[in-house]
Amino acid sequence: GENVEQHPSTLSVQEGDSAVIKCTYSDSASNYFPWYKQELGKGPQLIIDIRSNVGEKKDQRIAVTLNKTAKHFSLHITETQPEDSAVYFCAADTGRRALTFGSGTRLQVQP
Amino acid sequence: DGGITQSPKYLFRKEGQNVTLSCEQNLNHDAMYWYRQDPGQGLRLIYYSQIVNDFQKGDIAEGYSVSREKKESFPLTVTSAQKNPTAFYLCASSRRDIQETQYFGPGTRLLVL
Repeated sequence: GENVEQHPSTLSVQEGDSAVIKCTYSDSASNYFPWYKQELGKGPQLIIDIRSNVGEKKDQRIAVTLNKTAKHFSLHITETQPEDSAVYFCAADTGRRALTFGSGTRLQVQP
Repeated sequence: DGGITQSPKYLFRKEGQNVTLSCEQNLNHDAMYWYRQDPGQGLRLIYYSQIVNDFQKGDIAEGYSVSREKKESFPLTVTSAQKNPTAFYLCASSRRDIQETQYFGPGTRLLVL
């Protein structure tokens, strides 16, 4: 089955700095890679996703890059703000049409 | 949280008791999912359903059961066979044609007395 590894598990940055979270996946047939943000006690919310036919996607301060050859994808957050503090999860689709999630990254943005 | 509701927000289970978690969506989505989240960990798939009256086991289905009698509803029962049920349970749904894009409910926290 699909295995998704996510690093780092915790990340602390100063407000205004950039944050990068990286994930690797094992199933070369995967072609959909979403990123979710989860605030304490709430359900995850989709923040950006990318499909295998593109290498990069941007939405304001958030960008995702995908390297299918190396089977890894990354989330980039620029000009971080305190409200970006949360747990971020990457995921990849599997042949069962369900998602396999990484273990999460707790991002803390220091004011 | 969109149009997905989960109830209750907190649920307490006694030893040997079955409990049912509710999940309802008004997004007209065909597919629905149940995940379990343990503290500091990612989400693990329990069951999923791509269409009414059909569902498949996920990675950790033992001790759980589901039904999908209506498109809008996908209840999860935590049975007494699940020996470690304390966790945060998340329901999600997606459109069939872009099935991979999942939207999550607010979650139910289950605690064992």
